[in-house]
Amino acid sequence: EPEVTQTPSHQVTQMGQEVILRCVPISNHLYFYWYRQILGQKVEFLVSFYNNEISEKSEIFDDQFSVERPDGSNFTLKIRSTKLEDSAMYFCASELSSYNEQFFGPGTRLTVL
Amino acid sequence: KQEVTQIPAALSVPEGENLVLNCSFTDSAIYNLQWFRQDPGKGLTSLLLIQSSQREQTSGRLNASLDKSSGRSTLYIAASQPGDSATYLCAVQGAQKLVFGQGTRLTINP
Repeated sequence: EPEVTQTPSHQVTQMGQEVILRCVPISNHLYFYWYRQILGQKVEFLVSFYNNEISEKSEIFDDQFSVERPDGSNFTLKIRSTKLEDSAMYFCASELSSYNEQFFGPGTRLTVL
Repeated sequence: KQEVTQIPAALSVPEGENLVLNCSFTDSAIYNLQWFRQDPGKGLTSLLLIQSSQREQTSGRLNASLDKSSGRSTLYIAASQPGDSATYLCAVQGAQKLVFGQGTRLTINP
């Protein structure tokens, strides 16, 4: 069964460093998302991406964040200068068509020291 | 702004019992509602999706209902098993994004 994959599973970085989180969505899906979950808190939306552009973003998704679909399969989230409060589990999700079931990857645990 | 609440926050029941998890949302203008399972430190596994035009969906021992006008959904788990122990999340889709509740942590005791 097709699934969303994410790499790495765990990333440790120093404050101020850039990180890139990678996702491979399900191959025929058209809508892509990043969410994050700070330990003990709700899963919260970061950004949605469709037709090679951002379709919606949250207040969290400021100038330090960017997303890209560099080729036909990968979807990346870049954090330019990490802060301690960026420590969280980051989930990628994909959706076949609008207002359909979203499928989530296993997540990348980001630890900022 | 959409708010999603799940009650109870935690539930512990003996194996074999039927149980109900509750989810409420403040804005009834939704396209669908999705129930997920999350094991500790893991990703989200989609269990059921209910479109706004539907009243319920079933998958195996799971049955989810949706009352959009009152802003409520329930997840019914029949004949619970220890393997059902996990956190259950509901999420509503009003625009493209999902808005999540905080989850119900379920423990099934053998």
